[in-house]
Amino acid sequence: SAVISQKPSRDICQRGTSLTIQCQVDSQVTMMFWYRQQPGQSLTLIATANQGSEATYESGFVIDKFPISRPNLTFSTLTVSNMSPEDSSIYLCSVKRLVGGSDEQFFGPGTRLTVL
Amino acid sequence: GDSVTQMEGPVTLSEEAFLTINCTYTATGYPSLFWYVQYPGEGLQLLLKATKADDKGSNKGFEATYRKETTSFHLEKGSVQVSDSAVYFCALVDEKLTFGTGTRLTIIP
Repeated sequence: SAVISQKPSRDICQRGTSLTIQCQVDSQVTMMFWYRQQPGQSLTLIATANQGSEATYESGFVIDKFPISRPNLTFSTLTVSNMSPEDSSIYLCSVKRLVGGSDEQFFGPGTRLTVL
Repeated sequence: GDSVTQMEGPVTLSEEAFLTINCTYTATGYPSLFWYVQYPGEGLQLLLKATKADDKGSNKGFEATYRKETTSFHLEKGSVQVSDSAVYFCALVDEKLTFGTGTRLTIIP
C-alpha cells in the first residue's frame, strides 16, 4: 500500500483568496494525481503531476486556476486560485503503485475546502 | 471514451440483507476494474479489484466478478452489517482511472 498525507485536512476560505494543498507520500512515485470530489458527486481528475515536467491537465481544468508543483518524487502541491463558492469540494491526492503485478491507485485522506 | 455506469442510490437495507450494487462499463481496451469505498469522514479506500475477464475480486465479504460478455462488475455481499454503511464507487483503469457516480449505502439495525 501507500501512505499518503495531505495538509490541511480542511479549510474555510474567503472568495477571491487562494489555498495551497500539500501531498506527501511515504516513498518515491513517478506519477501523482489530483482529483476533485464535489459535494455528492464522484471524483474528477484535475491533473497528473510528473516530477521534472509540467503537470498535464484534464479538459475543463487550467494551470492558472489550479497550479501544481512537483519538486521531488514524494511531494506535490495543488493551489486553488481566486476561489469562488463553486470550488467548495474535497481535493484528493493519489498515487499509482504496482501491487501484485498490476497497477493500483491509492488516495490520500482528502482536503475538504469550503469557500464562502 | 471510457465510462462507468453505476446503480444510483441511495440504497437502504436492513442488517443481514443481501446487497447488490450494479456497475457496467464502456472501454475501448481491456481495463482493470475496481470497487472503492468511502466511509463517513474518511478517504477513498480500495475494496477489491479484478484485472481480467472472469476474475473474482473479494474482500471483507464483498465480491465482484469481471464479466466481459456483459461488461459488468456488480458488487455483492451476502449479509450486510451496519459498519458497511458508506459510499461505494465502481471504477476502471485503462489509461486513467475513471469513476462511477457512487452509491450511498445505509444499513439500518
